[in-house]
Amino acid sequence: GAVVSQHPSRVICKSGTSVKIECRSLDFQATTMFWYRQFPKQSLMLMATSNEGSKATYEQGVEKDKFLINHASLTLSTLTVTSAHPEDSSFYICSANGQISYEQYFGPGTRLTVT
Amino acid sequence: QKEVEQNSGPLSVPEGAIASLNCTYSDRVSQSFFWYRQYSGKSPELIMSIYSNGDKEDGRFTAQLNKASQYVSLLIRDSQPSDSATYLCAVKGAGGTSYGKLTFGQGTILTVHP
Repeated sequence: GAVVSQHPSRVICKSGTSVKIECRSLDFQATTMFWYRQFPKQSLMLMATSNEGSKATYEQGVEKDKFLINHASLTLSTLTVTSAHPEDSSFYICSANGQISYEQYFGPGTRLTVT
Repeated sequence: QKEVEQNSGPLSVPEGAIASLNCTYSDRVSQSFFWYRQYSGKSPELIMSIYSNGDKEDGRFTAQLNKASQYVSLLIRDSQPSDSATYLCAVKGAGGTSYGKLTFGQGTILTVHP
């Protein structure tokens, strides 16, 4: 399978600050990456689709000005949570399609805690 | 709204038994189906993909797909305590705004007891 990394794995920030999460495809090029959020005891919810060289596509109900996504290269997508609030505390996971483009592989996730 | 339904469990089986996990989906045009395993506090790991009606076997895992019934299942033979996890069924959208996106079920918690 394809290898996807995320950094940081865990972050604690104060309310009102911004946090950037990086997602990298390590052994392949990913023209499309996905960002998910998972709250405790719930399933994954797709937040947005990140396309290299173009604007991200956000799912209904996800604020694009709050969750800034940049996909500047074929191996890197970033998610910035701006003006974070405690309700943004969650497990953020990115994924990318592998070489077999219909299989999606997940990064290890970033646990965000906003105090 | 495209939906994927799973029995949330928990499903408890003894070590060595067969665990059977089920999933139904609402989008008739979907063509790609996946099973992910998620350990507590970790991200999902792809364990099986299936695209054609019938069975697909990989080691102790067998995925079964019936598009007419909109049903996909996962069988785990010779279950081990290390198989204890949440199993997520995912369906890839085949058209419209869902194209290429995965929709996940709520997951089934599996516990394999020694």
